[in-house]
Amino acid sequence: SQTIHQWPATLVQPVGSPLSLECTVEGTSNPNLYWYRQAAGRGLQLLFYSVGIGQISSEVPQNLSASRPQDRQFILSSKKLLLSDSGFYLCAWSTGFLYGYTFGSGTRLTVV
Amino acid sequence: SQQGEEDPQALSIQEGENATMNCSYKTSINNLQWYRQNSGRGLVHLILIRSNEREKHSGRLRVTLDTSKKSSSLLITASRAADTASYFCATEAGNTGKLIFGQGTTLQVKP
Repeated sequence: SQTIHQWPATLVQPVGSPLSLECTVEGTSNPNLYWYRQAAGRGLQLLFYSVGIGQISSEVPQNLSASRPQDRQFILSSKKLLLSDSGFYLCAWSTGFLYGYTFGSGTRLTVV
Repeated sequence: SQQGEEDPQALSIQEGENATMNCSYKTSINNLQWYRQNSGRGLVHLILIRSNEREKHSGRLRVTLDTSKKSSSLLITASRAADTASYFCATEAGNTGKLIFGQGTTLQVKP
């Protein structure tokens, strides 16, 4: 069966520290992968999406970057975190348009 | 930029009542999807309606789509306390598979 793993569940990081969030998918090949951020009580903002290894599209200019080193691995990174990077980060995959997304359980990041 | 806007932002009903949430969007779409999110959790896909469909059912869920008005509604019939969650509409346009989410409706179902 298809599953998506996202970790860690919670993370508290100081301002200026680096960040690496990892997301892996099992049970499917060549998925489309997405990173979203959700501010408290708000909707989801698309940050990055990838349709293949090494192919990353950025939706919003920001302090973050994404990479896809393997077909089913999607990594969200930052070299130096800002307070404004705090939020709930969600990874998702799909097999293409006309199909729904499957979301990971999310990572709550607090930058202090 | 946000594509979908849900209405109302918050809804509180008694168990057994029906809950209706609305979503409006701005541009042409391939499909519209509804998701549910329990507090602090990931989103769960509920239903997808294509741009050439007008109504779709799944269990106690009924979704309508009016492309002329660029709007959709989600009806949950005979609500249960376990339906308490936030509900989001999301639209897909073009051929990239990107979903643009609205701000969501928070539904509280009182037992």
